[in-house]
Amino acid sequence: GESVGLHLPTLSVQEGDNSIINCAYSNSASDYFIWYKQESGKGPQFIIDIRSNMDKRQGQRVTVLLNKTVKHLSLQIAATQPGDSAVYFCAEGAGTASKLTFGTGTRLQVTL
Amino acid sequence: DVKVTQSSRYLVKRTGEKVFLECVQDMDHENMFWYRQDPGLGLRLIYFSYDVKMKEKGDIPEGYSVSREKKERFSLILESASTNQTSMYLCASSSTGYGYTFGSGTRLTVV
Repeated sequence: GESVGLHLPTLSVQEGDNSIINCAYSNSASDYFIWYKQESGKGPQFIIDIRSNMDKRQGQRVTVLLNKTVKHLSLQIAATQPGDSAVYFCAEGAGTASKLTFGTGTRLQVTL
Repeated sequence: DVKVTQSSRYLVKRTGEKVFLECVQDMDHENMFWYRQDPGLGLRLIYFSYDVKMKEKGDIPEGYSVSREKKERFSLILESASTNQTSMYLCASSSTGYGYTFGSGTRLTVV
């Protein structure tokens, strides 16, 4: 099927290595951040979120880091597996606004 | 398991047809969204709704309309389908201040 990641930056990592995917955001008022994973032909899936009163949050094999000073968000995936191959999007929200703003995404390729 | 359900995974329609894409959520979310996704262009917001019978235009509303008669259902309508509306359409819902839950997407081809 057609890939949504045709023109996206690509990160290639070896199975078992750690992956770091980065995202810059532009709105200083954003106070809520989310990472989504999208596999080919499927809708985006929620991975992990973080609010601006935190600078780090951990989930299962994933960690999100937030640096508000430089408006930077990163997703770290530990011990990357072939099933982690997908496009990863960051999203930001501000206050009580209902809409999120999405980044363009990064494609993660896991090599064996 | 909470979910957003889109009625079709794949659709093929002819140019000029009126097309309905349906989306249902079971989470009692007040907000619902329609996006299209094209290679290299990311997610582009078509319309969203923050309450029953309320709607707001997104970034690319031209050629589309929406309907939200019930809280759980948000329909996207292509009034007269054109080939440049061939795309992946994604529905999402949310509670304000929280992330979206997306549906699986509908891949629409207009021939």
